[in-house]
Amino acid sequence: KNEVEQSPQNLTAQEGEFITINCSYSVGISALHWLQQHPGGGIVSLFMLSSGKKKHGRLIATINIQEKHSSLHITASHPRDSAVYICAPLLNTGNQFYFGTGTSLTVIP
Amino acid sequence: DSGVTQTPKHLITATGQRVTLRCSPRSGDLSVYWYQQSLDQGLQFLIQYYNGEERAKGNILERFSAQQFPDLHSELNLSSLELGDSALYFCASSREGFSYNEQFFGPGTRLTVL
Repeated sequence: KNEVEQSPQNLTAQEGEFITINCSYSVGISALHWLQQHPGGGIVSLFMLSSGKKKHGRLIATINIQEKHSSLHITASHPRDSAVYICAPLLNTGNQFYFGTGTSLTVIP
Repeated sequence: DSGVTQTPKHLITATGQRVTLRCSPRSGDLSVYWYQQSLDQGLQFLIQYYNGEERAKGNILERFSAQQFPDLHSELNLSSLELGDSALYFCASSREGFSYNEQFFGPGTRLTVL
């Protein structure tokens, strides 16, 4: 059983659509990281959150630690948002991350 | 550009060999993390150093070792290489030693073991 489940695994959207990527985990965590991996392989940290909600531009991340669930939303999606999005819960037993398998997003013009 | 540099970008070597990957963190960052990304395992946390000392250990094989030097750059040493070690190796840095700090990722080193 995977400790981290992301859904959907693959997502194709039309430009301008509202997108939601979900992350569920089974372990106790203290925080969760959302990462974006570009087609060329580079990784960018989008959010690190331990409660509530964070917003950066068109990106919004929410987390409910008790329900063991986090979501990443993209408003007004754009082709440049095409990437793999990875959630990484941080174990509350130490400085260790688990990683989801990622959601591959393609935004079509 | 995250400010984190990794060298080399690509490395091709043979089974049984030893290689060293290098990471320079962002100016002022004290913590360095190493990650491995392979096709079958996805991203995995290997090890973290903070100000020269090991802070956390993940799924790092005994054939692998790392260190952080006084100038805060870090090296990941991979020995007795196997085909399955072929992967992208990323390092990331953060200001402090806590993993809930924002991390900045380097461009990665692509290792191919033939």
